[in-house]
Amino acid sequence: AQKITQTQPGMFVQEKEAVTLDCTYDTSDPSYGLFWYKQPSSGEMIFLIYQGSYDQQNATEGRYSLNFQKARKSANLVISASQLGDSAMYFCAMREGQNTGFQKLVFGTGTRLLVSP
Amino acid sequence: EAGVAQSPRYKIIEKRQSVAFWCNPISGHATLYWYQQILGQGPKLLIQFQNNGVVDDSQLPKDRFSAERLKGVDSTLKIQPAKLEDSAVYLCASSLDRTGSDNEQFFGPGTRLTVL
Repeated sequence: AQKITQTQPGMFVQEKEAVTLDCTYDTSDPSYGLFWYKQPSSGEMIFLIYQGSYDQQNATEGRYSLNFQKARKSANLVISASQLGDSAMYFCAMREGQNTGFQKLVFGTGTRLLVSP
Repeated sequence: EAGVAQSPRYKIIEKRQSVAFWCNPISGHATLYWYQQILGQGPKLLIQFQNNGVVDDSQLPKDRFSAERLKGVDSTLKIQPAKLEDSAVYLCASSLDRTGSDNEQFFGPGTRLTVL
């Protein structure tokens, strides 16, 4: 069974607008962590934001926020005030077992975001 | 702080040839990962080391892939013999060996392998 699902192959947004990238996950482990990574055309994976399954508040990092809805098993990434440099692939990933030192990440298929002027 | 280094950045080989990739993690990072990212997909973990011991190699095709991390620092990933379906980007990542929410993985730029 697919553990991470990203249903949007591509998204378009105008500069300075907000955009939401969807991610749903599947796990029976009560302890898990959710990550978002950005992959520009250069290929490097850049960590954006993290949400733990026991965290009470939604994670925020600058212009990035994570809309965590545990009952729906969704962890959508919200990018506010989009910039041209935000154009990239975005991957949602999950690590089962939040408090372990061994972090096997399972990634979704990604969403390509294109920001237009 | 220097990031994760990988070489080469690009490699083109013919099927049945062998190839090796090198990774140097961030200094002090005990855990090292090799991922395979096929075009249009997310990265898939091939092998995870903690220091020089293997933690998880369940998705490593062991008949043709091998990896080692001698001395618990640098690592090499080898494919022998290569198949057409091995064409992918091979990403190396490292992380500190600690629990907690901020134990993120830092990725290198990747090696893009094309098998003809």
